[in-house]
Amino acid sequence: DAKTTQPNSMESNEEEPVHLPCNHSTISGTDYIHWYRQLPSQGPEYVIHGLTSNVNNRMASLAIAEDRKSSTLILHRATLRDAAVYYCILKPGTNAGKSTFGDGTTLTVKP
Amino acid sequence: NAGVMQNPRHLVRRRGQEARLRCSPMKGHSHVYWYRQLPEEGLKFMVYLQKENIIDESGMPKERFSAEFPKEGPSILRIQQVVRGDSAAYFCASSPDLDRVGNEQFFGPGTRLTVL
Repeated sequence: DAKTTQPNSMESNEEEPVHLPCNHSTISGTDYIHWYRQLPSQGPEYVIHGLTSNVNNRMASLAIAEDRKSSTLILHRATLRDAAVYYCILKPGTNAGKSTFGDGTTLTVKP
Repeated sequence: NAGVMQNPRHLVRRRGQEARLRCSPMKGHSHVYWYRQLPEEGLKFMVYLQKENIIDESGMPKERFSAEFPKEGPSILRIQQVVRGDSAAYFCASSPDLDRVGNEQFFGPGTRLTVL
């Protein structure tokens, strides 16, 4: 599986936007970029995914670089409930398959 | 539509006993995945099953661990002769139709296994 690199931790203030980066320089043409998050003592939760174009949903936005070697998860207004570990994962688009989780970014949101 | 269900949520076993973890996928999902998360670590893939078939077990320890997903009923992750190092949170996830590209996985709340 292609590897992703994320910062270990980030901090944000409540009500401010948060940009969580992910590098995936070895991404292949058919890999989708998925983001999950894991709140304390819970299972991971799907956030968003994309292939080439930027994506928006009710939880977040995903900005994908033109060369697809990096992406950024954008939380438009962080809340205390957004404090979690955020994982950036590459998944082949041709099968359901396993997800390979890295260490993720621990997001701390300060009131 | 109920989410992925796992039971028990907490399981305590003594060394040498067997642990059985159950996972009921979301309705209409035929793909099940098991992951393990050791304390203070990330999730590690264990096994991927589709009804009655093991598709990928590359993350399963070679001994004591087995998984099944029968035609009827939940998926079972079985750990025989548990040791203290098996203490972890075990998460199950399910996903829908294989042909849908970019499938997201829906995770259950996990079973926290403690081996005394």
